[in-house]
Amino acid sequence: QSVLTQPPSVSGAPGQRVTISCTGSSSNIGAGYDVLWYHQLPGTAPKLLIYGDINRPSGVPDRFSGSKSGTSASLAITGLQAEDEGDYYCQSYDSGLSGYVFGTGTKVTVL
Amino acid sequence: QIQLVQSGAEVKKPGASVKVSCKTSGYTFSNYNMIWIRQAPGQGPEWMGWINAYSGNTKYTQNLQGRMTITADTSTTTGYMELRSLRFDDTAVYYCATLAAGRLDYWGQGTLVTVSS
Repeated sequence: QSVLTQPPSVSGAPGQRVTISCTGSSSNIGAGYDVLWYHQLPGTAPKLLIYGDINRPSGVPDRFSGSKSGTSASLAITGLQAEDEGDYYCQSYDSGLSGYVFGTGTKVTVL
Repeated sequence: QIQLVQSGAEVKKPGASVKVSCKTSGYTFSNYNMIWIRQAPGQGPEWMGWINAYSGNTKYTQNLQGRMTITADTSTTTGYMELRSLRFDDTAVYYCATLAAGRLDYWGQGTLVTVSS
């Protein structure tokens, strides 16, 4: 039961910029809880891309950037590459549920 | 390097129980919480619960409370997740991951649990 809403799919040509939105509510993103982003390839575990709304773990290219405003957050991918294909999920904490919540997921396709 | 290695795939009948293990290495076990997440076919991840590996304190999602138990063995640096009274909709890939400051940095490879009659 995802409480964070993402677009089902986005696509772009190599080198282009794409953004993925993550819409929550006043009990999660809007309450100031951190937003994280993960990238998942088929048959593998999700990989952390962004934490603390805007921070990248070491090893994640600076083509990936996060932002947050109000009850929503966004992930931007600039200079899109073939290896960026896969599913992307946002994650936050929800005070009403007293636990972590994930987004509905967005499939990125490189044309 | 930090590694989390999970036990193999399981096939269970409805009403049975399953216990998945997560053997860790490469870090001080008690320094991280361990979180369990599952992902049903074609769905997004779902948080199940976590354990403070130092204190043993646990927290479970409300809709699984009473059916699952998370434990941690500090002597073998291994975490366990047991789910009871299995239902068809418990079919999923189950992941363990390290949890620190809300970050899930390191993940196991996943364990497919199939509930089938």
